[in-house]
Amino acid sequence: KNEVEQSPQNLTAQEGEFITINCSYSVGISALHWLQQHPGGGIVSLFMLSSGKKKHGRLIATINIQEKHSSLHITASHPRDSAVYICAVGGSNYKLTFGKGTLLTVNP
Amino acid sequence: DTGVSQNPRHKITKRGQNVTFRCDPISEHNRLYWYRQTLGQGPEFLTYFQNEAQLEKSRLLSDRFSAERPKGSFSTLEIQRTEQGDSAMYLCASSGRQGAAWTQYFGPGTRLLVL
Repeated sequence: KNEVEQSPQNLTAQEGEFITINCSYSVGISALHWLQQHPGGGIVSLFMLSSGKKKHGRLIATINIQEKHSSLHITASHPRDSAVYICAVGGSNYKLTFGKGTLLTVNP
Repeated sequence: DTGVSQNPRHKITKRGQNVTFRCDPISEHNRLYWYRQTLGQGPEFLTYFQNEAQLEKSRLLSDRFSAERPKGSFSTLEIQRTEQGDSAMYLCASSGRQGAAWTQYFGPGTRLLVL
C-alpha cells in the first residue's frame, strides 16, 4: 500500500463545476503539500498545510490531521485548471513522499 | 528569473553512456532535493542536501548514481552506464526556512530518454 493515496486518479468536469480531490496518508507528517503539474513537467506548489484550511483564489485546501486526510477543492472550475494535481507529505527532514496524482480535465 | 533552474531540459542518450544534470537552486536556499518521476507516476525522492552535505539517499539511488553539491550552491546528478530504465523526468527542488515553513520550489525538470 502506498504511503500517500489520492482519489480519483482521473477526473473530468464541465467548466464551472465544483471539484474535490482527496488525499489520504499513512505516515506521520510535518506538512502536506498540494502541487500542480502541467504537461511538460513543471511543478508549482499550491499549498503547504499542517492544520486547518487555506484558501487562494478559487482553490481551497483542508487537512484533518487526526484522520490523516486532506482535500483540494476548486470552485468555478475553468479549462485552464486542467492539470495533474499531486498530494505530497513531508516528514521531519521535509523530504516529500508523493501520491500518484489526479489528472483533471475541465471541458468548456 | 530567480527560480530553480535545471539544465539540460532534455537529454537523449544511448544505453551505457554517462549523463550529468545540473540544478541551480534559489540562491538563499540551503536545502536541495532531487526527485525522479516516471510516466504516470508521482515523483520519488532520490537524495537531498543541506548546504554541501548529502544527508539522505534513497535506495532508488544505485551505485551508478552520484550527486554532489560542492559549494552548497548548485548541484549535479550523474548517472553512469545509463540503462533504459533510467528514462524519466529528473526534478530538482530547493527550500529555505521561512519561519516554520520549508516550502519546496521545483525546477522545470530534465527529461532523460535512454535509447
